[in-house]
Amino acid sequence: AQRVTQPEKLLSVFKGAPVELKCNYSYSGSPELFWYVQYSRQRLQLLLRHISRESIKGFTADLNKGETSFHLKKPFAQEEDSAMYYCAPWGVTGGGNKLTFGTGTQLKVEL
Amino acid sequence: GAVVSQHPSWVICKSGTSVKIECRSLDFQATTMFWYRQFPKQSLMLMATSNEGSKATYEQGVEKDKFLINHASLTLSTLTVTSAHPEDSSFYICSARDSLGQQETQYFGPGTRLLVL
Repeated sequence: AQRVTQPEKLLSVFKGAPVELKCNYSYSGSPELFWYVQYSRQRLQLLLRHISRESIKGFTADLNKGETSFHLKKPFAQEEDSAMYYCAPWGVTGGGNKLTFGTGTQLKVEL
Repeated sequence: GAVVSQHPSWVICKSGTSVKIECRSLDFQATTMFWYRQFPKQSLMLMATSNEGSKATYEQGVEKDKFLINHASLTLSTLTVTSAHPEDSSFYICSARDSLGQQETQYFGPGTRLLVL
């Protein structure tokens, strides 16, 4: 079965510290990987996608097919990064193409 | 950028009544829309995939007669919770996929909070 694992429910770091939000997936085929972010009282929004290989708000994520991981990283956390982060593969599962969301990691950046 | 709207943003209803939630893609056409349910402090669970002009595809365990989905146009999908009960109280989120944009991207609505008394 397709599965996404975000092992940390809550990650608390100090401002300026490096951040790594872990994501491992178990998926048949070659899914496209995304990170979505949900700031307090806001809708879910796309943060980045692996095929773009871009850096958004200082975040990057490298797809490691060998380890089936797609960890989200930022070298220096900012207070405004505090939010809920979801790793989400897009691919064929259960008969159709869809996003499968991980359980999410709440990032809290403390001063 | 692309925007997805939902209406209403919140609704309170009596047990046994039906509630309709609208999801619109405001500046793009969406042949596919998705309906999710989110319980407090939990992840989004996909309920169904709504395809314009055809029947919705429901996820395992989701009652199609309970959660009626209609996707009559390329910019509108509706979710009707029929004969709602307190256990249906939840946060319902729709999402629309922009298949014609430069990169296929899925955009999310702000969600509808349903409270069934």
